[in-house]
Amino acid sequence: KNQVEQSPQSLIILEGKNCTLQCNYTVSPFSNLRWYKQDTGRGPVSLTIMTFSENTKSNGRYTATLDADTKQSSLHITASQLSDSASYICVVSQPTGNQFYFGTGTSLTVIP
Amino acid sequence: GAVVSQHPSWVICKSGTSVKIECRSLDFQATTMFWYRQFPKQSLMLMATSNEGSKATYEQGVEKDKFLINHASLTLSTLTVTSAHPEDSSFYICSARDRAYTDTQYFGPGTRLTVL
Repeated sequence: KNQVEQSPQSLIILEGKNCTLQCNYTVSPFSNLRWYKQDTGRGPVSLTIMTFSENTKSNGRYTATLDADTKQSSLHITASQLSDSASYICVVSQPTGNQFYFGTGTSLTVIP
Repeated sequence: GAVVSQHPSWVICKSGTSVKIECRSLDFQATTMFWYRQFPKQSLMLMATSNEGSKATYEQGVEKDKFLINHASLTLSTLTVTSAHPEDSSFYICSARDRAYTDTQYFGPGTRLTVL
């Protein structure tokens, strides 16, 4: 069964600290994996996209990793800011068809 | 980058009225658009998939007569909530799949619907 699981479900960290969010998937065949950030009351915004052959991709303070063998991805946030407080969603897509598999998201709260 | 817009961004209506939400892909052609619903602090829930020029495919449990979807062009899809009731109050988000990059979807900013 194609599934995407994220952990932790929620996370509270102090401003300035780093954190890592996890995404494990069983989706096959695999095309790409995207991390989205969703602020409250807004649509998801893409942070990174990774294909099968990519191991690491950065976008500012966000760094995503992908291990296609173990089907695991992580999103590392460096020097967190209050504006990083949001839900982070992992979405895996397949090469064909209309199937996009969503993780349940990680709710991140950054406190001063 | 690919941009998807939604209109309106928020709407308040009386119970029993119908509300139409538009989803547009601004700088690319979208053969497929997706409509999601999201309740507070919950994940996105796929409601239906619409393909340009054909009928939408609804997820199990979603009433197609209540949530009318039209995808008349490659850049526009509409969701009409008919005879809205307070329990239909939610955050509705659309996404569009690029015709050229079919394994990628771009999300709109969402529409907050409140039914009084």
